[in-house]
Amino acid sequence: KQEVTQIPAALSVPEGENLVLNCSFTDSAIYNLQWFRQDPGKGLTSLLLIQSSQREQTSGRLNASLDKSSGRSTLYIAASQPGDSATYLCAAWMNSGYALNFGKGTSLLVTP
Amino acid sequence: GAGVSQSPRYKVAKRGQDVALRCDPISGHVSLFWYQQALGQGPEFLTYFQNEAQLDKSGLPSDRFFAERPEGSVSTLKIQRTQQEDSAVYLCASSLTSLFGYTFGSGTRLTVV
Repeated sequence: KQEVTQIPAALSVPEGENLVLNCSFTDSAIYNLQWFRQDPGKGLTSLLLIQSSQREQTSGRLNASLDKSSGRSTLYIAASQPGDSATYLCAAWMNSGYALNFGKGTSLLVTP
Repeated sequence: GAGVSQSPRYKVAKRGQDVALRCDPISGHVSLFWYQQALGQGPEFLTYFQNEAQLDKSGLPSDRFFAERPEGSVSTLKIQRTQQEDSAVYLCASSLTSLFGYTFGSGTRLTVV
């Protein structure tokens, strides 16, 4: 079974800082990798989707990279804002099977 | 619709009661998934439908859990004889193809008392 690990589990930064969230996976045979944001008591909002043939995706202040050979993905958030406070989840979709394999998430707090 | 719609948003059930959770996926999305998210954890896969066919139910935790999608659109997750450990957020997601990733609904928070 694909194991997805997210480090750190929690992170607190002052507003304006750039930050990196890490996601690692044990099986490199992934089809795509998706980053989500989850606000308290809410569902998941898709942030970025990286296909296995891609190395990175960018959307606004967010940049996600994928290195299948090392089993890692990173989510880079530039110039963080208090509104970025949420839990960030990465999920890997394998070449075989249908399920997204999720990490436990990184809880981010951006303080004013 | 514009997004994945789930109802009810919140459900409190007495232990032993049966519950039914509804998911209305994005129109035209072939794939539909149910996930269970315990507090402080990432979502865990329950089951997958392609149109009306349930292709994978390996994540359903027990035979008290049952899911259906009879016409290939709306899906219902049913939990019989609920127990306290069933308390979680149940998330539904749909997808057109894997190329476009998943879109999740807001979830149903089930509390069994």
